[in-house]
Amino acid sequence: GDSVTQMEGPVTLSEEAFLTINCTYTATGYPSLFWYVQYPGEGLQLLLKATKADDKGSNKGFEATYRKETTSFHLEKGSVQVSDSAVYFCALSDRAGNQFYFGTGTSLTVIP
Amino acid sequence: ETGVTQSPTHLIKTRGQQVTLRCSSQSGHNTVSWYQQALGQGPQFIFQYYREEENGRGNFPPRFSGLQFPNYSSELNVNALELDDSALYLCASTPTGDTQYFGPGTRLTVL
Repeated sequence: GDSVTQMEGPVTLSEEAFLTINCTYTATGYPSLFWYVQYPGEGLQLLLKATKADDKGSNKGFEATYRKETTSFHLEKGSVQVSDSAVYFCALSDRAGNQFYFGTGTSLTVIP
Repeated sequence: ETGVTQSPTHLIKTRGQQVTLRCSSQSGHNTVSWYQQALGQGPQFIFQYYREEENGRGNFPPRFSGLQFPNYSSELNVNALELDDSALYLCASTPTGDTQYFGPGTRLTVL
């Protein structure tokens, strides 16, 4: 069945460091791919998404490119801030949009 | 602020009991999905409702059931509670397409 595998955490970075959180997926057909973020004490928020191969999702300095050939959707940010500290979830939905799969989450802590 | 609310915030039940969790989403959000998030894990998809009909289900037994109402509210019902049902339950609503807006969740503890 469909599934999402993401990089184990926790990840600790210094402010202004480069961030990569790896995400790979297994899916039949052509899923949509998402990154969600959960800040401490808050609910899940959509960070970015991509709906077809080679699409790049971007928001708040974060980017991820839908790579069909490597079945990946890695999250990147060139310079992290303390306010980026949160748990990041990679997710996919099937093309019909009625089945969803989340990764286990990667906790990011950014220190000044 | 997603406009999705859930109640109650916290709930404690004992094994074998039944529980109903509630979600209210924005007007026009015709699709609602429910998830179970165990501590330290990602959300697990339970099911989805569209215009009051179930139209997608994850790997959860039939004792997990739901309802969606015309006023954009919905319920998750769990019968015969087990200890492993202890988790954060999230609902998410979708206006169109596949972008979901999540509520803050209900923390269920089964003793």
